[in-house]
Amino acid sequence: DQQVKQNSPSLSVQEGRISILNCDYTNSMFDYFLWYKKYPAEGPTFLISISSIKDKNEDGRFTVFLNKSAKHLSLHIVPSQPGDSAVYFCAARKKRGSTLGRLYFGRGTQLTVWP
Amino acid sequence: DTAVSQTPKYLVTQMGNDKSIKCEQNLGHDTMYWYKQDSKKFLKIMFSYNNKELIINETVPNRFSPKSPDKAHLNLHINSLELGDSAVYFCASSQAAGNEQFFGPGTRLTVL
Repeated sequence: DQQVKQNSPSLSVQEGRISILNCDYTNSMFDYFLWYKKYPAEGPTFLISISSIKDKNEDGRFTVFLNKSAKHLSLHIVPSQPGDSAVYFCAARKKRGSTLGRLYFGRGTQLTVWP
Repeated sequence: DTAVSQTPKYLVTQMGNDKSIKCEQNLGHDTMYWYKQDSKKFLKIMFSYNNKELIINETVPNRFSPKSPDKAHLNLHINSLELGDSAVYFCASSQAAGNEQFFGPGTRLTVL
């Protein structure tokens, strides 16, 4: 059962515009959420995270928003650049006390930023 | 000075063979992981070791056996390879109390 879902397999955005990648989760025990970025033939690299006690976290062009009541988070990239073209994975972790470090990943969204 | 490295990057083998994938991290982390990314692109955890001790063991066939000789290494040995084992295998590491996992470049295993 997929506890973290990314329902859009792909997203295409023009350079300079905003990219919005969405993620939904089903488990209310999740307390920490992460976004990873993956280029072809490379491993995922950490991008940004958010704790469940916050509703927004910003790092440069990247902002993650968390809506706990809707069990939804989104990653905003502004402005989008061609180098942002990659697969973006959403991941979640349960509250402390459960299995250490266990991350649940979504299926990923392929972002393509065109000039 | 790669943080998390895996060897080999590509592995093509016949059904029934036994193979190993090696992973090393130089980040000083004490927790290491193996993930499998299948053809549907799902990234699923297989195993996790903390200070050389197994702490996560998902429902993985016992043909898969991880081995951690020390905190910096976590190797994955697979016996009697099957077609369904074809996938990309990622190694990762983190600090025990940390949330960020650093991933290796992946090993693409193809079983013929």
